[in-house]
Amino acid sequence: DAGVIQSPRHEVTEMGQEVTLRCKPISGHDYLFWYRQTMMRGLELLIYFNNNVPIDDSGMPEDRFSAKMPNASFSTLKIQPSEPRDSAVYFCASSPVRGGLEQYFGPGTRLTVT
Amino acid sequence: QQPVQSPQAVILREGEDAVINCSSSKALYSVHWYRQKHGEAPVFLMILLKGGEQKGHDKISASFNEKKQQSSLYLTASQLSYSGTYFCGTGLGAGNNRKLIWGLGTSLAVNP
Repeated sequence: DAGVIQSPRHEVTEMGQEVTLRCKPISGHDYLFWYRQTMMRGLELLIYFNNNVPIDDSGMPEDRFSAKMPNASFSTLKIQPSEPRDSAVYFCASSPVRGGLEQYFGPGTRLTVT
Repeated sequence: QQPVQSPQAVILREGEDAVINCSSSKALYSVHWYRQKHGEAPVFLMILLKGGEQKGHDKISASFNEKKQQSSLYLTASQLSYSGTYFCGTGLGAGNNRKLIWGLGTSLAVNP
């Protein structure tokens, strides 16, 4: 399997612009997670889905952030408008329903907002 | 609510042992351990569940003290490949509650 795929790997944008991060989970995995990682706050869960349905979005910082999962093989995390404090590495992870509870992380998107 | 990991950083010589601790103020259902190398994604090591036994894989093992809401990760006879940052993720709910709260990590450097 190709693993979790994220795009882009790096994104540099100016404050106020819209940013869209993309994720393709591992085929057959029913859980999808979006994380943000910074030195100060560590790894933070933003939102997670089960069978394309958002289960817990309590970690989404504010209304500027939104996430969708239109089908089992694709999810997006959108920031509009972006701010410098959004600069971080954003990880997507997926997990199977059956078997273990382990999460498989994608390579991440390094976002820089200037 | 965020679990506390200790120590924050460890430097070892190849072949030495290390213990990394993870403590929570909340009752835990599960503790997950991951390792992240610089510039890469976190990689799963092991999960300990409430009521479960101590787990081990090769020379890395872990324990879970439910009463104290603590978990420890044991690395024995460390290898250069063990270098990285170790994170514990704590799960508060059973079943379909997959939300994890993560510690800030323990940086481990293994030198020749």
